[in-house]
Amino acid sequence: DVKVTQSSRYLVKRTGEKVFLECVQDMDHENMFWYRQDPGLGLRLIYFSYDVKMKEKGDIPEGYSVSREKKERFSLILESASTNQTSMYLCASRYPPGTGTMAGYTFGSGTRLTVV
Amino acid sequence: DQQVKQNSPSLSVQEGRISILNCDYTNSMFDYFLWYKKYPAEGPTFLISISSIKDKNEDGRFTVFLNKSAKHLSLHIVPSQPGDSAVYFCAASGNAGNMLTFGGGTRLMVKP
Repeated sequence: DVKVTQSSRYLVKRTGEKVFLECVQDMDHENMFWYRQDPGLGLRLIYFSYDVKMKEKGDIPEGYSVSREKKERFSLILESASTNQTSMYLCASRYPPGTGTMAGYTFGSGTRLTVV
Repeated sequence: DQQVKQNSPSLSVQEGRISILNCDYTNSMFDYFLWYKKYPAEGPTFLISISSIKDKNEDGRFTVFLNKSAKHLSLHIVPSQPGDSAVYFCAASGNAGNMLTFGGGTRLMVKP
């Protein structure tokens, strides 16, 4: 069973702080994703990575960066946290399309970040 | 511009009755559709999917219907149970399983 683990369930940070959100998956998935979930807006893609050291911007990358130094780990970085980045952050992973698996993702439990 | 829309932010249903959650999409290149269920403080979990070559897929109490001409899909839950109370996200992908695009979610409340 695929497991996607996010290191923190709840975080409270101050405006201007640099914030690291960590995500680890244990199924050797090439593709990994960071989403944020906000009421009424659903899941919005921040960044994704097709493989180690590869990253692509999603729909809302402003104010964020990512790091993928190892296949199992995908980190989301808030360079200078702001109050409008208060949200639920969700990490997901999957095998690439065309590998015979369905298109669905496996999600972590989420990190509820509050920026004060 | 949202390519996947769930126009009802919330839905309340009595236990034992049918729950119908709706989803509309605009991109005709979408060929695979999924429903995810999310409880508070947990990540979304996959519920059921349907390929564009089908118009119905059933799994126990859950059935997804796809109307390609109307670009509309729906999730039916029969009978609804209190444990079904959660936020449901519709998602779509195109081109043999590329990125998923999610709708805004519908919060389902099933009352005992």
